This record gives sequence, structure tokens and C-alpha cells, in this order.
Amino acid sequence: QKEVEQNSGPLSVPEGAIASLNCTYSDRGSQSFFWYRQYSGKSPELIMFIYSNGDKEDGRFTAQLNKASQYVSLLIRDSQPSDSATYLCAVNPNSGNTPLVFGKGTRLSVIA
Amino acid sequence: EAQVTQNPRYLITVTGKKLTVTCSQNMNHEYMSWYRQDPGLGLRQIYYSMNVEVTDKGDVPEGYKVSRKEKRNFPLILESPSPNQTSLYFCASSDSWGSQETQYFGPGTRLLVL
Repeated sequence: QKEVEQNSGPLSVPEGAIASLNCTYSDRGSQSFFWYRQYSGKSPELIMFIYSNGDKEDGRFTAQLNKASQYVSLLIRDSQPSDSATYLCAVNPNSGNTPLVFGKGTRLSVIA
Repeated sequence: EAQVTQNPRYLITVTGKKLTVTCSQNMNHEYMSWYRQDPGLGLRQIYYSMNVEVTDKGDVPEGYKVSRKEKRNFPLILESPSPNQTSLYFCASSDSWGSQETQYFGPGTRLLVL
């Protein structure tokens, strides 16, 4: 059973701080990794994806991947109250017809 | 506007009464899927379809059926709903199997089975 683990939170950070969201995965052969944001009562939306070891930056968001440690993270700089949401980590095991595996999500609360 | 639509958005029903949740996308996507989301359990895939007439089970298919007769539609059928199927359901689509990470999610259907 391929697993994706996230701390459920809530993770509370003050406005303007860096929020760090973490995710570990069990399938060492996984090739691609995604972060979705889900506001309460809404559907998930893709905000970042990363395929290679290292960092990938997009505006205030940075995804970090370490395949050796089977660890992927999302950093949100200058956190805003509008970033308050649940963040879902998803992993593509890339083995045959296996679909994306989602973590249970981390709830982030940015305090003004 | 590119979108995935689901109907109904909210549904209260009783045990054993067959129901269908419709899903439609206007992006000519090949890949479509259904998820359920429950507190503490996250997003779990029920069924997916890589193209017309091609469907396969996800992680939690028991008690559900799907069909993919046309590319744009992927209805979810509960033949005999039970209270443990009370959940928030999402339909999603993407251009192809290989681009499933860029799935577009529908707005969700909140189902309560009494």
C-alpha cells in the first residue's frame, strides 16, 4: 500500500512568517510530487509540482524535494490570512496504472 | 469557461434508494475520476477512467458503479446507498492519464445517507 503522510495540524503561523508544510511518502520509485490547496468547503486546486531533487520556486511558494529521504515540503513565504487552507500532498507512484496518492492534508492557519 | 460540473451539489437520501451523481467536463479531457473526502481520511479515489468505455477501480470502489459512455460524462452510481457513504464527493478530469496531476476538480457533492 503506497502511503503519503502529512501532519494534520493545525499549523498556526503569524502573518508575514514562513509556513513550512511537510510530506513523506513510502514508494521510493515515485517520480512526481504535487501540492494542492483546498479552502474549506471548496475543491482542491493545484498550486505546485516538482519532479527533480532540490527547490522549485513560484512566487511566494517553494517546493522542496529530497528523494533519498522520501520527503517533499512546501514553504510559503510572507504568509497571508488568505493562505489559510488545507494543503494536500499528492504523489504519482509512476508504476503502471496507479493513480495519484493523496495525503490527508495539513490545515494551515495564518493569524493576522 | 473550462470547468467540471457536478449535480446535485447537495443531496439527502435514505438507505437503499438508488442515486446518481452526474459529472461533466467541457475540456475534452480523456482522464476522469471520482473521489470521496472524509474527515481524518483525506481524499480517496473511488473509480477512474482513462477514456471512453475504460474504467478501473480506485482505492474504495465498494458500493459504487461508474460508466463512461461519452468522453464528457462520468456519472457515479450508488445502487443501494448506506450511511457509510455519507461523504463529500469530487469529480475530477485531466487531459490525459499522464497529466493527472493537473486535474481539474468539480465543486463537490455533499451526500447524506440516512
